[in-house]
Amino acid sequence: DIQMTQSPSSLSTSVGDRVTITCRPSQSISRYLNWYQHKPGKAPKLLIYAASSLQSGVPSRFSGSGYETDFTLTISNLQPEDFATYYCQQSYSTPYTFGQGTKLEIK
Amino acid sequence: QVQLVESGGGLVKPGGSLRLSCGASGFMFGDYCMSWIRQAPGKGLEWVSYINTGGTIMYYADSVKGRFTISRDNAKNSLFLQMDRLRAEDTAVYYCAGTGILLPPDNWFDPWGHGTLVTVSS
Repeated sequence: DIQMTQSPSSLSTSVGDRVTITCRPSQSISRYLNWYQHKPGKAPKLLIYAASSLQSGVPSRFSGSGYETDFTLTISNLQPEDFATYYCQQSYSTPYTFGQGTKLEIK
Repeated sequence: QVQLVESGGGLVKPGGSLRLSCGASGFMFGDYCMSWIRQAPGKGLEWVSYINTGGTIMYYADSVKGRFTISRDNAKNSLFLQMDRLRAEDTAVYYCAGTGILLPPDNWFDPWGHGTLVTVSS
């Protein structure tokens, strides 16, 4: 199975900050990496697919980059509605695996 | 409006069975591969199972293989998860999610339902 290591596990940040979350798979996964936002009691939401493609309707302050074994999600100009938990996920092979999550908290 | 609505969750004793359903609307359900994903209390997301558009290819996480069965009825825009021999560690919110119209690995989970809670306890 491909293990997904996300860092940091939590981050205390402020509105207007720029945030970078890292995801490192245990083996090369080409560009097959997706990012999700999850708020308590809500359905998870796809933000970025195929490493860097922005899902329709997602604000442009969200961006993704990376390839093979090193990926990042960047949120520029953090907004109040962005405080949530973020997960990376590989679709390279089954079992599809998620990172352990990064919780963004208000400083 | 694109929507997935899960149902069928509840309290069940260890060793028992439960059948989850997921109704789809607002998109061409039959064109989408589908998955079940779960989140145990206080834990992260865990993929459970995948089914292709025609219902002929299924994949399972090792933790549920041999106990859970995924199926679909495209005529009724519905996805199912039959869960047998349930264990305490199966306690979680179960989400159904679209898994794309392209073949793996070019797929991702979108849209998602709001989930249904399954509690396995005596």
